[in-house]
Amino acid sequence: AQSVAQPEDQVNVAEGNPLTVKCTYSVSGNPYLFWYVQYPNRGLQFLLKYITGDNLVKGSYGFEAEFNKSQTSFHLKKPSALVSDSALYFCAVRSSGGSYIPTFGRGTSLIVHP
Amino acid sequence: EAGVAQSPRYKIIEKRQSVAFWCNPISGHATLYWYQQILGQGPKLLIQFQNNGVVDDSQLPKDRFSAERLKGVDSTLKIQPAKLEDSAVYLCASSLQNWGGQYTDTQYFGPGTRLTVL
Repeated sequence: AQSVAQPEDQVNVAEGNPLTVKCTYSVSGNPYLFWYVQYPNRGLQFLLKYITGDNLVKGSYGFEAEFNKSQTSFHLKKPSALVSDSALYFCAVRSSGGSYIPTFGRGTSLIVHP
Repeated sequence: EAGVAQSPRYKIIEKRQSVAFWCNPISGHATLYWYQQILGQGPKLLIQFQNNGVVDDSQLPKDRFSAERLKGVDSTLKIQPAKLEDSAVYLCASSLQNWGGQYTDTQYFGPGTRLTVL
């Protein structure tokens, strides 16, 4: 069975500092990996995805994520955090073959302090 | 481009009552998904449609939940009868093509319907 772990319920960072939101996964076969962001009272918004190719994926709003196959990780990063980045972040995974069902992590609340 | 529309935004019902949610996907999107997001958890896929056909409903509690997408456009999700544990946000999403197989189109989510079962 596939699974996603987001080990931190909350990440606190000062504005202007780099941020990392962690995600590790387990899946049969090759993974398709995704990051979504959720603002209060709004649906999830797509940030970026890894399907194949370059391990460093660049996405919306200056975010990027690095796929590490040996560590089964797909951590979300941003070089300089903004207060407006404060939101709930979800990592999701599904296998490149077999079931179409994606598995989402529990989410990590990112709080960026002024 | 208009986004995914959902209604109602909020619903409060008593247990054992029935409730229905409506979703209108982005125009031209063939694939539609319903998710259940319980507080403190990530979204869980309930059902996936490709046009008006069901691609996967393995995680849909079929004894009380049903969904349809009769004309391949908008969709309704129904719960009958509701239980306390059904309290959650129900998210609808759509994508241009099937998210399964070799296609990995981005899913666009609606704002969700927050259901409270008392």
